[in-house]
Amino acid sequence: EPEVTQTPSHQVTQMGQEVILRCVPISNHLYFYWYRQILGQKVEFLVSFYNNEISEKSEIFDDQFSVERPDGSNFTLKIRSTKLEDSAMYFCASSARTVTRYEQYFGPGTRLTVT
Amino acid sequence: DQQVKQNSPSLSVQEGRISILNCDYTNSMFDYFLWYKKYPAEGPTFLISISSIKDKNEDGRFTVFLNKSAKHLSLHIVPSQPGDSAVYFCAALGSNYKLTFGKGTLLTVNP
Repeated sequence: EPEVTQTPSHQVTQMGQEVILRCVPISNHLYFYWYRQILGQKVEFLVSFYNNEISEKSEIFDDQFSVERPDGSNFTLKIRSTKLEDSAMYFCASSARTVTRYEQYFGPGTRLTVT
Repeated sequence: DQQVKQNSPSLSVQEGRISILNCDYTNSMFDYFLWYKKYPAEGPTFLISISSIKDKNEDGRFTVFLNKSAKHLSLHIVPSQPGDSAVYFCAALGSNYKLTFGKGTLLTVNP
């Protein structure tokens, strides 16, 4: 069964460093998303991406964040200068361009720890 | 932001019985509602969804009921199995295709 994959599973970085989280969405999906879950809190929407541009972003997704689809398979989230409060699980999701577009399929997540 | 609320942080049921997970929402503009299941160290797994124009959707052991007037939905699992033990998230989708999640309910199914 097709699935969303994410690498790395765990990333430890120092405050102020740049990190890139990588995702490979399901191959025939055209809509891509990033969510995050801070420990003990809700899963929160960060950004959605379609047709090589951002469709929607939350107030969390400030200038320190960017997304990119550098090739036909990868979808990345970059945090330019990490802060302690960026420590969270980051989930990538994708959905198809069909009537079931609302069904978003999630990857296993990347645990980001900022020290 | 309390647009989607799951008021029960945990639920414990016996194997073979029914599990009922509840969710309330405040935004009447949501178009779809989804239930996700999550195991530790894994991402949310899509289970079942319902359109805002329906009141019931069934898929095997899982049934979701939507009461629009009460802004309430529930997930029924019958019969419950030990492998169903996980955190269940209710999520709602608006026209912007952004999912808004509840805090989750930890379901424990005891053998």
